[in-house]
Amino acid sequence: SQQGEEDPQALSIQEGENATMNCSYKTSINNLQWYRQNSGRGLVHLILIRSNEREKHSGRLRVTLDTSKKSSSLLITASRAADTASYFCATTTDSWGKLQFGAGTQVVVTP
Amino acid sequence: DAGVIQSPRHEVTEMGQEVTLRCKPISGHDYLFWYRQTMMRGLELLIYFNNNVPIDDSGMPEDRFSAKMPNASFSTLKIQPSEPRDSAVYFCASSSRGTHLSYTQYFGPGTRLTVL
Repeated sequence: SQQGEEDPQALSIQEGENATMNCSYKTSINNLQWYRQNSGRGLVHLILIRSNEREKHSGRLRVTLDTSKKSSSLLITASRAADTASYFCATTTDSWGKLQFGAGTQVVVTP
Repeated sequence: DAGVIQSPRHEVTEMGQEVTLRCKPISGHDYLFWYRQTMMRGLELLIYFNNNVPIDDSGMPEDRFSAKMPNASFSTLKIQPSEPRDSAVYFCASSSRGTHLSYTQYFGPGTRLTVL
């Protein structure tokens, strides 16, 4: 079964708007990561947040983590057409770094 | 760095045939992961290696699937015999625990397998 579940499943916005997606997970984690997948491509790592961190920024990305609610959010500010992709959260629960992925949020940014 | 390299990028085969997917991880990475992605089941971890040794193969769907890592720069995923339900995109990923980016996985472009 999947550890993480993203919400919403799909999101359609216009360029310049912000996009927010959420991830919920079931068990305690070491860290949580967000990945992006463009159509027909492999996944690309975006950002990692450790279990003792609450917020992290990277460029136009902002990630929050609430371990008490077992949830995380990814915010993309000032979205661009190039941000059109599927976004996955992935959690690590063991020392081997094994990732468990959610089902993903499909984001479409229209010009 | 060339990144994770997978071959072939596309494979079309007939049911019952043997299929071999190949992966070259990023040089210096000591972890290698094989995933399968389908619309119905999403991204599934099949097996992963550490220093060429299989650590967890509990995600391998059945005995028709096997994976090897004979050295640090090469891994194969074999399906024999293949079935239509094996049709999916298979990804290889590698990572290194020895850097500040530990736990981050770097994915290859994937192999799209179609079994007729």
